[in-house]
Amino acid sequence: AQKITQTQPGMFVQEKEAVTLDCTYDTSDPSYGLFWYKQPSSGEMIFLIYQGSYDQQNATEGRYSLNFQKARKSANLVISASQLGDSAMYFCAMREITGTYKYIFGTGTRLKVLA
Amino acid sequence: DVKVTQSSRYLVKRTGEKVFLECVQDMDHENMFWYRQDPGLGLRLIYFSYDVKMKEKGDIPEGYSVSREKKERFSLILESASTNQTSMYLCASSNPTGATNEKLFFGSGTQLSVL
Repeated sequence: AQKITQTQPGMFVQEKEAVTLDCTYDTSDPSYGLFWYKQPSSGEMIFLIYQGSYDQQNATEGRYSLNFQKARKSANLVISASQLGDSAMYFCAMREITGTYKYIFGTGTRLKVLA
Repeated sequence: DVKVTQSSRYLVKRTGEKVFLECVQDMDHENMFWYRQDPGLGLRLIYFSYDVKMKEKGDIPEGYSVSREKKERFSLILESASTNQTSMYLCASSNPTGATNEKLFFGSGTQLSVL
């Protein structure tokens, strides 16, 4: 069954340091996409980064990169040079090609950036 | 700027009341979704709609119904609110790409408290 697991309910990081948020997934579909969303206290979920299962290179978007290890079924988010504004909930999500409208979300990791 | 707008950020209702949560998107998206977000459970899909007047049940549809009379508007209805429906409700929309990279655009959420 499809599943997303985020094992870190909460994380702290010092400002300007890098942080890795863990995400593992389970699927039997060979074609799938992995997403990370950020949810600040305002409530709106903001798309950060996407990785396709057939992509050869790890996705990067500015300070965000996705460490995709297909054999391990992991898709960790790396945030470099953390800023105070990075404090938020972060959700990992997966969409399979066969699950036409279905996205599976993890339980989220709350990140707190310390000054 | 593209937008998904939810009518209320905070809502307080009494048990047994009929509750309407409204969501409007201005991106001409075909797909619209209602999710429920609870601590430790992540996001769970209640209903989605892939066209006007078309809907499908998600993972937790019990106690909810939906209405999509116009493409831009998707309403979530709690026929008789109960305390276990106290939660954050998130509306999202997407444009179907037929691929795994179809990303969701979210509203700011409605925090519903049922007393």
